Amino acid sequence: EVHLVESGGGLVQPGGSLRLSCAASGFSFSSWSMSWVRQTPGKGLEWVANIKEDGSDISYVDSVKGRFTISRDNAKNSLYLQMNSLRAEDTAVYYCARIPRYVVGATGYWGQGTLVTVSS
Amino acid sequence: QLVLTQSPSASASLGASVRLTCTLSSGHSSYAIVWHQQQPEKGPRYLMKLNSDGSHNKGDGIPDRFSGSSSGAERYLTISSLQSEDEADYYCQTWGNTFWVFGGGTKLTVL
Repeated sequence: EVHLVESGGGLVQPGGSLRLSCAASGFSFSSWSMSWVRQTPGKGLEWVANIKEDGSDISYVDSVKGRFTISRDNAKNSLYLQMNSLRAEDTAVYYCARIPRYVVGATGYWGQGTLVTVSS
Repeated sequence: QLVLTQSPSASASLGASVRLTCTLSSGHSSYAIVWHQQQPEKGPRYLMKLNSDGSHNKGDGIPDRFSGSSSGAERYLTISSLQSEDEADYYCQTWGNTFWVFGGGTKLTVL
């Protein structure tokens, strides 16, 4: 059974940093692209970042470029999101997700999310 | 510009059927999308990937009551025999070259 479990959220002051983690199990983590998606309380879903299987191809939403860094450790079956220079507008629940695009017959999965609150 | 458009709300009676629509922006009618469900106070759940030809691949444990279809730039999610637990937000999502796009979501109320 596939599980994605996020951790690392919490309360941080504006300008501060946090590192989110996503522990994956139940599938061959190193074979799949992974993503972070966030959701501001009461609002819709917003894609944040993607990373390919070997970490060679990374992309970000414009609003986090230069401040957030997505990475992965395939040996530890883990996905990370380093968030620096945090702003109030980064307050959201952050989800890791595996949503396959090209693999025929594959299905997708979401974690349960971790809440990040940026406030003084 | 790649945009997904969804109606903000929909409603249907318990036991009835409902069809939700996600519309792809002009020039993107060949794109596949994914439907996700988010029940109140829960994380999203992958429902299905829906191709432009209407073929779809459902997620783990998704009941047969959920089906997808396509027509031109429109992608549909049909839920039959509505149950109370189907009351949720439904999001469509697709892929650009290097990014994802989400629709604004449809809040489904089961009457």
